[in-house]
Amino acid sequence: EPEVTQTPSHQVTQMGQEVILRCVPISNHLYFYWYRQILGQKVEFLVSFYNNEISEKSEIFDDQFSVERPDGSNFTLKIRSTKLEDSAMYFCASSPRAGGSETQYFGPGTRLLVL
Amino acid sequence: QKEVEQNSGPLSVPEGAIASLNCTYSDRGSQSFFWYRQYSGKSPELIMFIYSNGDKEDGRFTAQLNKASQYVSLLIRDSQPSDSATYLCAVNMRRDDKIIFGKGTRLHILP
Repeated sequence: EPEVTQTPSHQVTQMGQEVILRCVPISNHLYFYWYRQILGQKVEFLVSFYNNEISEKSEIFDDQFSVERPDGSNFTLKIRSTKLEDSAMYFCASSPRAGGSETQYFGPGTRLLVL
Repeated sequence: QKEVEQNSGPLSVPEGAIASLNCTYSDRGSQSFFWYRQYSGKSPELIMFIYSNGDKEDGRFTAQLNKASQYVSLLIRDSQPSDSATYLCAVNMRRDDKIIFGKGTRLHILP
């Protein structure tokens, strides 16, 4: 069964450093998302991406965040200058175009720890 | 502000019994409703989705939707210890929109 994959599974970084989290969505999906979950809290939407542009972003997704689909398979989330409060699990999700299921399928996540 | 409310639990249910999980949502324009299961330290795993009022059954799971009451529920029949997890209720407005999650209900199945 196709699945969303994410790398790395864990990332430890120093405050102020840049990190790039990588995702490979399910191959025939066209909508891509990033969510995060701070330990003990609910899953929060960050950004959605369709047709090579951002369709919606939350207030969490400030100028320190960016997303990119550099080729036909990868979808990346970059945090330019990490803060302590960026420590969280980051989940990538994808969903197919209309006509198929409308559900979003989540990757296994990247646990980011900012020291 | 769109909200999804769930009782955080823990909800303890004996093995073999029916577990009943409930959720309310604030936005009447919500179109799609999801139940995800999340084990500790893992990603949300889709269990069921429902779009229309009424019941939808899939194996041991039944999702129920009442749009008039803005209420979604999940029933788990013949509960197993492996069902012990946090269950996340989630909604979205249209098929490409973000999913808004509740905080989840921790379910503990007692052997």
